[in-house]
Amino acid sequence: DGGITQSPKYLFRKEGQNVTLSCEQNLNHDAMYWYRQDPGQGLRLIYYSQIVNDFQKGDIAEGYSVSREKKESFPLTVTSAQKNPTAFYLCASSPGRGYTFGSGTRLTVV
Amino acid sequence: GIQVEQSPPDLILQEGTNSTLRCNFSDSVNNLQWFHQNPWGQLINLFYIPSGTKQNGRLSATTVATERYSLLYISSSQTTDSGVYFCAVHLTGGGNKLTFGTGTQLKVEL
Repeated sequence: DGGITQSPKYLFRKEGQNVTLSCEQNLNHDAMYWYRQDPGQGLRLIYYSQIVNDFQKGDIAEGYSVSREKKESFPLTVTSAQKNPTAFYLCASSPGRGYTFGSGTRLTVV
Repeated sequence: GIQVEQSPPDLILQEGTNSTLRCNFSDSVNNLQWFHQNPWGQLINLFYIPSGTKQNGRLSATTVATERYSLLYISSSQTTDSGVYFCAVHLTGGGNKLTFGTGTQLKVEL
């Protein structure tokens, strides 16, 4: 079945560590997106990529980095520079109209 | 930037009743989507609706882009309808980026 796979579902990080969240899609979509959701709030755009080897900052990119070396993969690294990284992270892809979301990764800083 | 406002923020329904959720947006948009986020965090696309009316089972949606609003109708509500409903818009000239509203938290009780 086609879809988006995010891993891991739960992730715990110590302060000062970098962590990488995985997002893989087999939908052959060109565009991919990372969103952050805080409790009781909507989704905010971190980074997005319209094509391979190209990506742009979203509204809250500080403290995050991404890469897009393959069409299927768009990993997100949460760096130690992100001051409040505890949140729910959602990855999405789109063929140009309509989005499909993964099931998300819950990151907690301990 | 564009403002996307949803109302009501919270809603409690008795099973079997009907409801209307509203989404207002402050600028011209290319498109609009409605999502349901289940208690486990998964976002499910309900409608991709730039204008007009669409129906899918007990759910229907209407977008009036010229007046900058969209409505989501839920008829004969069921407990499985519980969760958060988000509308999200694609800005005109903003590429394919989605900007999310703050959501409506719906609880359907027996």
